[in-house]
Amino acid sequence: DAGVTQSPTHLIKTRGQQVTLRCSPISGHKSVSWYQQVLGQGPQFIFQYYEKEERGRGNFPDRFSARQFPNYSSELNVNALLLGDSALYLCASSLGGAGNNEKLFFGSGTQLSVL
Amino acid sequence: QKEVEQNSGPLSVPEGAIASLNCTYSDRVSQSFFWYRQYSGKSPELIMSIYSNGDKEDGRFTAQLNKASQYVSLLIRDSQPSDSATYLCAVNLISNFGNEKLTFGTGTRLTIIP
Repeated sequence: DAGVTQSPTHLIKTRGQQVTLRCSPISGHKSVSWYQQVLGQGPQFIFQYYEKEERGRGNFPDRFSARQFPNYSSELNVNALLLGDSALYLCASSLGGAGNNEKLFFGSGTQLSVL
Repeated sequence: QKEVEQNSGPLSVPEGAIASLNCTYSDRVSQSFFWYRQYSGKSPELIMSIYSNGDKEDGRFTAQLNKASQYVSLLIRDSQPSDSATYLCAVNLISNFGNEKLTFGTGTRLTIIP
């Protein structure tokens, strides 16, 4: 079975540009979460979506947005890129049931470099 | 105080010894605790979850949880060079927006010395 797939694997952009990252969850999983990981730090929570609805968001500016599609895949958009947005962007998939015992399974990530 | 705190290391342990990794968290109402392993250049991989006070064993790994002390640890027995990685502690916390979010520590870099 396929795991969480993310595309692209690497991306180079310049300041001010916009970027869209894509994620497909594990088959049967209905929830997708997005994390940003800067080198040497733990992943930072950006968004969680479940059944196409936003379930939670972290402390990120409005330049960051996301959505989930009927097939449970998801996109993360970042507008007006800053140098500080350079990071590994991780998508995580989970079943999405009620309760807070959710186990997250991560994709291989998209490495974004902003020049 | 950070929401989830770990010693960043590096922690060096001889092959065959026990590696002990520690984590503290700030939110007393947290109910779910996880350990992830992350090899350099790779994404985090879930290795343990624990929800109740006490110990939970899975092969060479043992997770320990003490909610009163807000403390969770991971023991790796018979450490192998392949265990060399960064270990991330993750806790379900309530965000400023009122939703639950899985919050990670900065990770502890573990090196197993042959």
